[in-house]
Amino acid sequence: GQQVMQIPQYQHVQEGEDFTTYCNSSTTLSNIQWYKQRPGGHPVFLIQLVKSGEVKKQKRLTFQFGEAKKNSSLHITATQTTDVGTYFCAGPTGNTGKLIFGQGTTLQVKP
Amino acid sequence: DGGITQSPKYLFRKEGQNVTLSCEQNLNHDAMYWYRQDPGQGLRLIYYSQIVNDFQKGDIAEGYSVSREKKESFPLTVTSAQKNPTAFYLCASSFGGASYNEQFFGPGTRLTVL
Repeated sequence: GQQVMQIPQYQHVQEGEDFTTYCNSSTTLSNIQWYKQRPGGHPVFLIQLVKSGEVKKQKRLTFQFGEAKKNSSLHITATQTTDVGTYFCAGPTGNTGKLIFGQGTTLQVKP
Repeated sequence: DGGITQSPKYLFRKEGQNVTLSCEQNLNHDAMYWYRQDPGQGLRLIYYSQIVNDFQKGDIAEGYSVSREKKESFPLTVTSAQKNPTAFYLCASSFGGASYNEQFFGPGTRLTVL
């Protein structure tokens, strides 16, 4: 069945270092969504990418959707302690609003 | 204040007991979802509903049941048939059942079965 994989599973960085998480789908996606879950919290929507090769920025966060619409990445420049949490990518399965989530990448930032 | 509420935040039950988790939204969303999250894992879909009085099984529906009698409410019952019910349960909603709609999550219920 359809799968969405994320790497790495965990990443520890020193504050100020950059961070990247990668998301790969076994099938072509119509769009991809990214969510952030703070420790002890719930996932919160960050962004959606729709077009092939699309790049979107939110302050220090850069999101990219691959040309083949099967992979995506999230890059954080100069991490801060507020970036701590688990970042999930999610792609639609079917046309019913259902999403399939990657396993997430948990980011820890040492001050 | 619009949003999704889940209660209770923490729930303890004895093995063999059924338990119902509450999920209410006042966002006027048509679609609602239940996910299960285990440590170090992503979100797995239990059930979803695109409209009142209709719902479909997700990837891990065995041992769970739901109802959707009102647009605002989508309670989840964890039955005694669920072999490993201890987990973090998240409810979500979205504007409709289209694939491009973002999902809004409630704060979650952490269920521990003793």
